[in-house]
Amino acid sequence: GAGVSQSPRYKVTKRGQDVALRCDPISGHVSLYWYRQALGQGPEFLTYFNYEAQQDKSGLPNDRFSAERPEGSISTLTIQRTEQRDSAMYRCASSPGPRRVYEQYFGPGTRLTVT
Amino acid sequence: QKEVEQNSGPLSVPEGAIASLNCTYSDRGSQSFFWYRQYSGKSPELIMSIYSNGDKEDGRFTAQLNKASQYVSLLIRDSQPSDSATYLCAVNIVGGYQKVTFGIGTKLQVIP
Repeated sequence: GAGVSQSPRYKVTKRGQDVALRCDPISGHVSLYWYRQALGQGPEFLTYFNYEAQQDKSGLPNDRFSAERPEGSISTLTIQRTEQRDSAMYRCASSPGPRRVYEQYFGPGTRLTVT
Repeated sequence: QKEVEQNSGPLSVPEGAIASLNCTYSDRGSQSFFWYRQYSGKSPELIMSIYSNGDKEDGRFTAQLNKASQYVSLLIRDSQPSDSATYLCAVNIVGGYQKVTFGIGTKLQVIP
């Protein structure tokens, strides 16, 4: 079956612009996670959802970052007024549900470059 | 102190040898531990999970957990060049519910 998909795969934007990154989880997966990964680092937790409810957003760096999953499937991570320090790989992962948190399947990521 | 610590490497081992990857964590109450493999330019892929003290074996991989020492390791027997990748240790922190914290990853190079 289809895995986790993310779009766009690459995004170049100018400082100050808003960007929206999309994640389409594996069909039927309840939980969805957003991570940011800098080169040479492990994924850094941003936020996660169970169904449409955002359960933990403690990893979002500041209020320019927000995420939603309105229908419990596709999720969007939005970064407003982008800054160069936002440049990174943004990864999405999904899992079958809260009791199977270890089964996180990662998407290919969106490489964001802010110029 | 970082929540999950790994040596970034690279760790170089000859083909056929045992590769030993180590990870320490700071939260004594952590209960769930994972190893992910990440090939260069690719996404992380779960390869092992372990929840109780001792060893867990899956093919050529063995995960070892020592909660008293707050230490988890991954052994790869009969290392192959295809095992060359970055190995990420991840921990589910108590109170973090579904939040998983990753280490920096150890780069493994298996030399033919």
